[in-house]
Amino acid sequence: AQSVTQPDIHITVSEGASLELRCNYSYGATPYLFWYVQSPGQGLQLLLKYFSGDTLVQGIKGFEAEFKRSQSSFNLRKPSVHWSDAAEYFCAVGGKNSGGSNYKLTFGKGTLLTVNP
Amino acid sequence: EPEVTQTPSHQVTQMGQEVILRCVPISNHLYFYWYRQILGQKVEFLVSFYNNEISEKSEIFDDQFSVERPDGSNFTLKIRSTKLEDSAMYFCASLDYYGYTFGSGTRLTVV
Repeated sequence: AQSVTQPDIHITVSEGASLELRCNYSYGATPYLFWYVQSPGQGLQLLLKYFSGDTLVQGIKGFEAEFKRSQSSFNLRKPSVHWSDAAEYFCAVGGKNSGGSNYKLTFGKGTLLTVNP
Repeated sequence: EPEVTQTPSHQVTQMGQEVILRCVPISNHLYFYWYRQILGQKVEFLVSFYNNEISEKSEIFDDQFSVERPDGSNFTLKIRSTKLEDSAMYFCASLDYYGYTFGSGTRLTVV
């Protein structure tokens, strides 16, 4: 069964500091990996995704993530955080099931990011 | 940029009533999904729909739930007799080669 672990429930950083949000996954084959951001009461906005190829992927808003197969990780990074980055961040894993007709996503529990001025 | 549209954005219903949540996926996508997020919790998979039939459903998706794609455009989630614990944000999503696109969600409040 596929699963995602986001070990940090809440992270606080100062504006301008660097950020790393951790994500570990369990998946039986090559995974598709995603990071989404959600502001309070809002929908899910895709930050970036990994399907194949270069293991360092660039996303929107200056975010990047690195797929490390040996560590089953897909950590999200940003070199300099802005106050507007305060939100909840979800990592998700998906892919074809054995029947080949489904790509359901399994989400982690999320990491809430607070940015101090 | 193509969007997944969900209506209504917020619905309040009495316990035991039927509700229909509506979604218009991106027109050339082939896979469609409903996910649910109870307040303060993670997003959970409910059901996937492909080739006009359910391809997978979670244990949450019991006999009270059903999905339809009645006209090739809309994709609906029906809850036959709502319970208090059905209160959540419901997200519709559609999928193509480039990935998922989520709608902005319908917040369902059961009172």
